[in-house]
Amino acid sequence: GAGVSQSPSNKVTEKGKDVELRCDPISGHTALYWYRQSLGQGLEFLIYFQGNSAPDKSGLPSDRFSAERTGGSVSTLTIQRTQQEDSAVYLCASSFRQETQYFGPGTRLLVL
Amino acid sequence: KNEVEQSPQNLTAQEGEFITINCSYSVGISALHWLQQHPGGGIVSLFMLSSGKKKHGRLIATINIQEKHSSLHITASHPRDSAVYICAVKTSGSRLTFGEGTQLTVNP
Repeated sequence: GAGVSQSPSNKVTEKGKDVELRCDPISGHTALYWYRQSLGQGLEFLIYFQGNSAPDKSGLPSDRFSAERTGGSVSTLTIQRTQQEDSAVYLCASSFRQETQYFGPGTRLLVL
Repeated sequence: KNEVEQSPQNLTAQEGEFITINCSYSVGISALHWLQQHPGGGIVSLFMLSSGKKKHGRLIATINIQEKHSSLHITASHPRDSAVYICAVKTSGSRLTFGEGTQLTVNP
């Protein structure tokens, strides 16, 4: 496909479980971003990958959150020991260098 | 005080009206983005600008770096323009800091 894809589209989990969210960026895009949008809240930056550089993790809310980007393409955001406040829509975006960002459809995470 | 402030928070207009959404920021930036979030949640980047003005169809975005202010204008508004419009600024590195968004409703 031509756009950014994310999976799963929806995820329901129990408090304390680990979850993995996947992002497939647009082919050839060097930069990948993860954002979070909690219910009724604005968008929040989580982490940024650019090529082979060290990622900018400054937006990760706690050490339960981690992300990796393998082979400069697919990225996985992992949340360990999920809490109810982690419930949100997790959005991925990609861009060529630092140009226009293209957003994926998001993963809606609900922690019960 | 948020680093990025948008106004108004909510805006209702009649079809055909000229619409302006404002964004003010308090930090140094390298670029400013305007995003559109559809009712289903999908986000589309409308503009990325660092100076002057850009136009795409009925949408116009302007930025005044000295005043730390940007505006998004919609001419001849249409019900399909109904969405949340989000201003975001690029500060250090490539992280974006977002405004709270402006909910626009255009009635037929």
